[in-house]
Amino acid sequence: DSGVTQTPKHLITATGQRVTLRCSPRSGDLSVYWYQQSLDQGLQFLIQYYNGEERAKGNILERFSAQQFPDLHSELNLSSLELGDSALYFCASSVGGPTGSGNTIYFGEGSWLTVV
Amino acid sequence: GDSVTQMEGPVTLSEEAFLTINCTYTATGYPSLFWYVQYPGEGLQLLLKATKADDKGSNKGFEATYRKETTSFHLEKGSVQVSDSAVYFCALSDLNYGGSQGNLIFGKGTKLSVKP
Repeated sequence: DSGVTQTPKHLITATGQRVTLRCSPRSGDLSVYWYQQSLDQGLQFLIQYYNGEERAKGNILERFSAQQFPDLHSELNLSSLELGDSALYFCASSVGGPTGSGNTIYFGEGSWLTVV
Repeated sequence: GDSVTQMEGPVTLSEEAFLTINCTYTATGYPSLFWYVQYPGEGLQLLLKATKADDKGSNKGFEATYRKETTSFHLEKGSVQVSDSAVYFCALSDLNYGGSQGNLIFGKGTKLSVKP
């Protein structure tokens, strides 16, 4: 158990809909990251938050957004869903911020999203 | 941009065989290198890491040495077990990427199956 908690574990929804994935980082971790794992694209970094502020953006679509709340939990919002958005979405956390060196990143078990 | 290339699988070995999974990288900065493992139905777990050239990461009998001259970080284990069956991901984190060490770039993963 990594200590990173993600909900829901599985989600099935229709095209055009909007879903919210939730992540609770490990106790004491200030950074939260979101990754998408799909068969064709592999594992891709989406976005990082550090202590409530957006820190880095990767290959995140404009239809997707995220935020980190004062209690450090994070939500990833996916809207206008398409079939190609079906994937496993991982949340991860680490202690470090922008200048952390060698910080270990801990991953949750992921949220399986199926768009039908 | 930065990238990671790892050998394609699947790799099938008999128990107690020697394992090598090749990983090479391209990076403009000074990356840290990681191997993550994903067991069936689970999230990603950090297996080992190395933060500078010539460092050797090791864990659970697995080893990998950071070779800057060949830009490689090959994963090895002298004697695999059935319980090592999983997908293995090589990844890098570049200090220059978004100014944070937390953003991982992953290879496509190598599936290992170990037969008794």
